[in-house]
Amino acid sequence: SYELTQPPAVSVSPGQTARITCSGDALPSKFVYWYQQKSGQAPVLVIYEDTRRPSEIPERFSGSSSGTMATLMISGAQVVDEGDYYCYSSDSSGKHYVFGGGTKLTVL
Amino acid sequence: VKLVESGGGSVQPGGSLRLSCAASGFTFSQYWMHWVRQVPGKGLVWLSRIDDDGTTTDYADSVKGRLTISRDNAKNTLYLQLNSLRVEDTAVYYCTTFVGDADDLHSYWGQGVPVTVSS
Repeated sequence: SYELTQPPAVSVSPGQTARITCSGDALPSKFVYWYQQKSGQAPVLVIYEDTRRPSEIPERFSGSSSGTMATLMISGAQVVDEGDYYCYSSDSSGKHYVFGGGTKLTVL
Repeated sequence: VKLVESGGGSVQPGGSLRLSCAASGFTFSQYWMHWVRQVPGKGLVWLSRIDDDGTTTDYADSVKGRLTISRDNAKNTLYLQLNSLRVEDTAVYYCTTFVGDADDLHSYWGQGVPVTVSS
């Protein structure tokens, strides 16, 4: 079955840029979505269609995708950005979706 | 937009449950709907999706044949029938959808409903 691969953890200091990667064979032809999840809460969409940002999400969140790798970037990361981040996409058929394993972001 | 799941609970291995997701605040009949689950402390797992009129359904390979997604657009309600439940199906189950367009898309999730499979 199709898999998306993320690093288990990323750590940055406040104000630095955090980068979280997501790799998958179908990413050259399929959009990636990024979710933030804080403990005990439902996920929040922070990036959709590789690079687009929902209107309520701060501008410090951005996304890119090239080849088989997508990247979520948080410029000037803040302590409030700590949480688990998941990439989400479909396989090449477009019929089966999958989440990456998740990346725990620590800002301290 | 509001999504409210119900129907979870405790069941023995081999048993069945039907989860419901009541939707409001948007035109339910125009949007695909999805079910996702999460074991506490673990990652998100996509389970299934259904198109706006209920004619197209897709499932994760890991649950195909045991789960059935359906919807009643007259009642603005999404369902997930869980059969032949296993201990490893224990998780919080979420219904979710994308609402909007390419210029401003939003993702909405219910509060989640716990399912416990145990003897």
